[in-house]
Amino acid sequence: RKEVEQDPGPFNVPEGATVAFNCTYSNSASQSFFWYRQDCRKEPKLLMSVYSSGNEDGRFTAQLNRASQYISLLIRDSKLSDSATYLCVVNRWTGTASKLTFGTGTRLQVTL
Amino acid sequence: GAVVSQHPSRVICKSGTSVKIECRSLDFQATTMFWYRQFPKQSLMLMATSNEGSKATYEQGVEKDKFLINHASLTLSTLTVTSAHPEDSSFYICSALTDPRADTQYFGPGTRLTVL
Repeated sequence: RKEVEQDPGPFNVPEGATVAFNCTYSNSASQSFFWYRQDCRKEPKLLMSVYSSGNEDGRFTAQLNRASQYISLLIRDSKLSDSATYLCVVNRWTGTASKLTFGTGTRLQVTL
Repeated sequence: GAVVSQHPSRVICKSGTSVKIECRSLDFQATTMFWYRQFPKQSLMLMATSNEGSKATYEQGVEKDKFLINHASLTLSTLTVTSAHPEDSSFYICSALTDPRADTQYFGPGTRLTVL
């Protein structure tokens, strides 16, 4: 079983739609959680951190459920520019350094 | 702030040659850098953790004699793919921490390696 699992998609949605991505992680020692965005043939860029209390950044809302080991990302009012792959990422301390584990990503295509 | 550069951005080489990729932190000192590899339609996979002044820590299944990592200064880590083969063709990405205990990694733009 992969340490971080995501639905690969693709999710094809019209502009203005609301779309939700889910992610589960298997290592209960994971300490911090993130959503990254990756455009084709580019490096991943941090979208937002994820907290149990939930956090919002404009049209993006992220939520963490530690008990269920589940992370979500909600995008409201989708824009064409939101088209990308969204990576669910978990972090844990190994004793010497932080270690990020990436999900395979969920591809989003926003259309006119 | 927290900018990481990589060089080269793309490289094409013949099978059997060695390729060196540089990762630099431009505006901060990074005691810890990471090297990842990403094959098409797959996730980023951590190859190794590079610590300034000491040996790199390799992930299981990554050959340390094939992927040589040198982190000789607080702003530079290099990855050398020795005797490259077509199956080594991939997108190699480095990242750096501004603090060893920080959990936010800053990523370089990546290097696309094609081995013919």
